[in-house]
Amino acid sequence: DPKIIQKPKYLVAVTGSEKILICEQYLGHNAMYWYRQSAKKPLEFMFSYSYQKLMDNQTASSRFQPQSSKKNHLDLQITALKPDDSATYFCASSPGQGVSNERLFFGHGTKLSVL
Amino acid sequence: GDSVTQTEGLVTVTEGLPVMLNCTYQTAYSDVAFFWYVQYLNEAPKLLLRSSTDNKRTEHQGFHATLHKSSSSFHLQKSSVQLSDSALYYCALRNSGGSNYKLTFGKGTLLTVTP
Repeated sequence: DPKIIQKPKYLVAVTGSEKILICEQYLGHNAMYWYRQSAKKPLEFMFSYSYQKLMDNQTASSRFQPQSSKKNHLDLQITALKPDDSATYFCASSPGQGVSNERLFFGHGTKLSVL
Repeated sequence: GDSVTQTEGLVTVTEGLPVMLNCTYQTAYSDVAFFWYVQYLNEAPKLLLRSSTDNKRTEHQGFHATLHKSSSSFHLQKSSVQLSDSALYYCALRNSGGSNYKLTFGKGTLLTVTP
């Protein structure tokens, strides 16, 4: 059974619309992340949260807004979608103990296509 | 900020031969950990191996890597590749200084193993 659930698996959107990518983890982890993977920039870090608090943000655009309603949830809202936003968005989690060798566990991703 | 460089975007190796995937890095922090993640086609990245100890060999699934802080490298090697090793390999680092909630990935190396 997948321990990090991302919904939907595939998503097609029109330019200018808004979408929410869902992520839930059942690993009991305290830290969650969003990464983006496209042909132009493989595995690009976007956000990290720990205990529902934003820890790091490397996304320049305010069109990308993470939302954490529960400790094991980290959704990603994307507004005013552009074709350049087309990518696979990976949610990840880690125990969140703050040690450098802590590994990330990835979900299977949401493949977003913006037309 | 931290940076990870993987010089080869694509590596093709014949089955049974050795392979080395290069990874070098830049970081201002001394307390850092290094990772190799593997991503098979249409799957999520998953941890292959990790290390935070200088000059100590780490092994998993026939692959090995040794962190060399003197040369800022964490190359991945395997003595005899298999067809099933064909995948995208990412080198990554995390520091426990400025932001230990961010895992920085290189651009990835696509390994193709041919019969």
